[in-house]
Amino acid sequence: AQSVTQPDIHITVSEGASLELRCNYSYGATPYLFWYVQSPGQGLQLLLKYFSGDTLVQGIKGFEAEFKRSQSSFNLRKPSVHWSDAAEYFCGSTGNQFYFGTGTSLTVIP
Amino acid sequence: DGGITQSPKYLFRKEGQNVTLSCEQNLNHDAMYWYRQDPGQGLRLIYYSQIVNDFQKGDIAEGYSVSREKKESFPLTVTSAQKNPTAFYLCASSIDTGLAGAYEQFFGPGTRLTVL
Repeated sequence: AQSVTQPDIHITVSEGASLELRCNYSYGATPYLFWYVQSPGQGLQLLLKYFSGDTLVQGIKGFEAEFKRSQSSFNLRKPSVHWSDAAEYFCGSTGNQFYFGTGTSLTVIP
Repeated sequence: DGGITQSPKYLFRKEGQNVTLSCEQNLNHDAMYWYRQDPGQGLRLIYYSQIVNDFQKGDIAEGYSVSREKKESFPLTVTSAQKNPTAFYLCASSIDTGLAGAYEQFFGPGTRLTVL
């Protein structure tokens, strides 16, 4: 069965520190993968997506993600976190249906 | 500007009442979706529609109903049969449902429903 797992429910980082949010997928074929961000009380905004080709994908707001087939992962990274990055982050995939992970809440401390 | 609008932003309902949440898109997308979001549970799919006059149940359709009479509109009715309707509801659309391709979903700003 297809699924998406985000192992970290909550992460706290200092402003200026690097960030990595984990995402693992389960799917028989190569899935299409996405990362979304949600500010409190708002809808979801697409950060980046992977369909094929280069496994390192650049997105908006300085985020990037790397697709690793051998690890079934699509982790989101940012080299230097800003206070405005505090939000909920969702990993998603499509195969025969669109699946979301349960989200990772990011807190940024000054 | 193209996008998805949801109204109202906040909705209060008394127990036993049906309420309808509006979702409109001007992106010319074929597929539309309704999700429910509760703290710690991520997004759960209620209903989706691939085309006008057709829709399918998602994972938690009980107590909800939808219609798709126009491509642009996909209203969700929360009926009195839904035992715990207080939640944040998100509408989304995509070019397709993903069955034929890898299309990302675009989301509206959401409606927060509270049952009094």
